[in-house]
Amino acid sequence: GAVVSQHPSWVICKSGTSVKIECRSLDFQATTMFWYRQFPKQSLMLMATSNEGSKATYEQGVEKDKFLINHASLTLSTLTVTSAHPEDSSFYICSASEWSKNIQYFGAGTRLSVL
Amino acid sequence: QKEVEQNSGPLSVPEGAIASLNCTYSDRGSQSFFWYRQYSGKSPELIMFIYSNGDKEDGRFTAQLNKASQYVSLLIRDSQPSDSATYLCASSAGNKLVFGAGTILRVKS
Repeated sequence: GAVVSQHPSWVICKSGTSVKIECRSLDFQATTMFWYRQFPKQSLMLMATSNEGSKATYEQGVEKDKFLINHASLTLSTLTVTSAHPEDSSFYICSASEWSKNIQYFGAGTRLSVL
Repeated sequence: QKEVEQNSGPLSVPEGAIASLNCTYSDRGSQSFFWYRQYSGKSPELIMFIYSNGDKEDGRFTAQLNKASQYVSLLIRDSQPSDSATYLCASSAGNKLVFGAGTILRVKS
């Protein structure tokens, strides 16, 4: 199956700092990448959808200026959590899908802890 | 609002038994359906997808889709303790997935 790599797997940062998370499709070209957030004992919540070369589409209630998404190539998307606060602590997961294939493959996730 | 409903469980089955996981969806426009397995602290892993009415088998897993009833199920034969996880059902119309809250499955040895 398709492989999606996500880094880092765990990050601890101080309140007010920014954190960048990378998501890479290793063996296919990901025309679309998705960013999710998951709080304990809850299901995945879609934050935004990004298409290569265009601006991300954010879900309602997600601050686009706080969660910056860049999808500059067909194999790489990044999520930057700006000015992180303790309430941003969560499990962030990316997924990627190929053109015309409606299947999402997930990265391993990044656990963010903001102190 | 598009919704996917799952029983949260936990569903407990003995080792070797058949585990049956169910899911209903509200959007009749949904065309694709997915089952993901998520171990605690890990990200979801795709188990199966199904597009057409009927059954689709892959090893110990069988996905069943009934579009008229807006119902999707996953059967796991010969359940193993390693199958213990949360199973997420998802539907899509277009490229977005709508996830259910997940069913916790516990396979007891």
